[in-house]
Amino acid sequence: AQKVTQAQTEISVVEKEDVTLDCVYETRDTTYYLFWYKQPPSGELVFLIRRNSFDEQNEISGRYSWNFQKSTSSFNFTITASQVVDSAVYFCALNTNAGKSTFGDGTTLTVKP
Amino acid sequence: GAVVSQHPSWVICKSGTSVKIECRSLDFQATTMFWYRQFPKQSLMLMATSNEGSKATYEQGVEKDKFLINHASLTLSTLTVTSAHPEDSSFYICSASLGAGQGRNTQYFGPGTRLTVL
Repeated sequence: AQKVTQAQTEISVVEKEDVTLDCVYETRDTTYYLFWYKQPPSGELVFLIRRNSFDEQNEISGRYSWNFQKSTSSFNFTITASQVVDSAVYFCALNTNAGKSTFGDGTTLTVKP
Repeated sequence: GAVVSQHPSWVICKSGTSVKIECRSLDFQATTMFWYRQFPKQSLMLMATSNEGSKATYEQGVEKDKFLINHASLTLSTLTVTSAHPEDSSFYICSASLGAGQGRNTQYFGPGTRLTVL
């Protein structure tokens, strides 16, 4: 069975603060993929990143960075210098070669001006 | 690239009527499409997986006869909510991917359809 846990239900920060969203996963598969999606108030899910289980390199894209650690089964997401437009629900998801994705419950991020 | 559209974006219908939602991959061929529903402040719940040209695979607890899924082409899947009732009111989201396997299983999501059944 697969499981994704996003322990933080809601996070509130002030603009320009850094914020890290946690994601812990469980799977017995040795090959899997991890994703982060952003869901703004409009409702549409926006793909942010995909990570393969055999590639533990961290990644930085602008103000976004991701820390993948297989040893702790975690795939955390950090937003540096947060902005009001970052306010959204963020979902972490796990996908195996079976194709289906298992989503976490989401973390609602509120960035206040 | 990787744009998925949904139509309609919102719909209000009377109890007992049927509603069809379309999901299209605009710039790629989607071997696999997924249908989710999302209740307010909750995560996405997978309803079914459909592969082009074959019957959809429904998740446990999802009524096949109530939620009819058709994936007739590599760019179009439809979800029909038959005899809708107020408890079917939800946000329905589709996603499309190239299929399973390395590099192909990223899901691209449609903008969602908000269904309200009166």
